[in-house]
Amino acid sequence: GAGVSQSPRYKVAKRGQDVALRCDPISGHVSLFWYQQALGQGPEFLTYFQNEAQLDKSGLPSDRFFAERPEGSVSTLKIQRTQQEDSAVYLCASSLRGDGATEAFFGQGTRLTVV
Amino acid sequence: DQQVKQNSPSLSVQEGRISILNCDYTNSMFDYFLWYKKYPAEGPTFLISISSIKDKNEDGRFTVFLNKSAKHLSLHIVPSQPGDSAVYFCAASQWGFKTIFGAGTRLFVKA
Repeated sequence: GAGVSQSPRYKVAKRGQDVALRCDPISGHVSLFWYQQALGQGPEFLTYFQNEAQLDKSGLPSDRFFAERPEGSVSTLKIQRTQQEDSAVYLCASSLRGDGATEAFFGQGTRLTVV
Repeated sequence: DQQVKQNSPSLSVQEGRISILNCDYTNSMFDYFLWYKKYPAEGPTFLISISSIKDKNEDGRFTVFLNKSAKHLSLHIVPSQPGDSAVYFCAASQWGFKTIFGAGTRLFVKA
């Protein structure tokens, strides 16, 4: 399809386990964002890439969170030693330009449950 | 520190009437504002936007108003339809920087 694709859709992890969440943005989109959405809340910014460069990672909650976009296309969000407070929906979005002033297209999200 | 606030968690409106969703922001450096709509189990989808040089933008049944002096924007939907029932997120960005989202308002449109 032509939209943003995220996998897996659902992930259950045992506390302490490492997880990797994948995002396939729309082809040709320069910007890629990761957001964390807790139940009943709006998406909270985690990190932002312009092509392969990670320009802002100020929203990553701890050093257990790591994101990469090595070839400026597919991105992976990795969470090490998962904790229960990491349970949330992780949303990926991409936008055509790199100036933050165009609408972003979101994937369906990955719902992570840490047990 | 909530830079974008949607103070009404929910709103209920009769079909055919106007829905008004409100949003306040604190960062005067924001220069681009967006509304997203979200259905259950789906990611947010872009609805309408406005840049800070305008005070109104209209797209069909949807109009966004921006009052920079009050740091307030609103989304008007008229006439409201049952298919408009969803969660609406207000978002704001500063050129070249991350987009900040509000907590959302759940709109119910009753037939």
